[in-house]
Amino acid sequence: IQLTQSPASLSASVGDRVTITCRASQTVSNYLNWYQQKPGKAPRLLIFAASSLKSGVPSRFNGSGSGTDFSLTISSLQPEDFATYYCQQSFTTPLYTFGQGTKLEIK
Amino acid sequence: QIQLVQSGGEVQKPGASVKVSCKASGYSFTTFGISWVRQAPGQGLEWMGWINAEHGNSNYAQNFQGRVTLTRDTSTDTVYMELRSLRSDDTAVYYCARDHHDILSGNFYYNMDVWGKGTTVTVSS
Repeated sequence: IQLTQSPASLSASVGDRVTITCRASQTVSNYLNWYQQKPGKAPRLLIFAASSLKSGVPSRFNGSGSGTDFSLTISSLQPEDFATYYCQQSFTTPLYTFGQGTKLEIK
Repeated sequence: QIQLVQSGGEVQKPGASVKVSCKASGYSFTTFGISWVRQAPGQGLEWMGWINAEHGNSNYAQNFQGRVTLTRDTSTDTVYMELRSLRSDDTAVYYCARDHHDILSGNFYYNMDVWGKGTTVTVSS
């Protein structure tokens, strides 16, 4: 299963609402996770099962979608949110794939 | 606290092998599998493979079939990733991650909830 994220990069300002999309080449139901990665750091799990917020993750992060189309929305960007975001499917567990990533930069 | 501690950076020559370790602590080791993910410089995340920590069975991404082997030692709660026939494009940071599952409405949802800090492997002649 291939995952295609869009856009590849995105410039936004603090306080903006942004949405990143992830499209699967075939259905993954709601077996879709989102991760955040900052430079030089390991990825951090944000969302699992397409829309469930990992404990400790701020509520401004919201995941939605099912089947082949998913989105990650950050409702009001904070300075610490500028990072790269990856989707990952677990429908074919334990064979996994990641999207190619979306880099969120400060405008 | 729950953590995965990886071995230190490696420099290897093309054609050689590398073996990276990932020691788990803070949870019951055999309860969750471990995945390995790599990231080449400036590139995205690439899933390599997974091992069942209890039984030792494993699955690998097609790109790495025949070149990577995951093993585990339940006496030390450690997983090992060996990559053979190294090439320059294997230069990357290699991460181990716990293959956690959350149960919602009776379904198991797998996700990588704890990550090691990464091990840099450099392949250069």
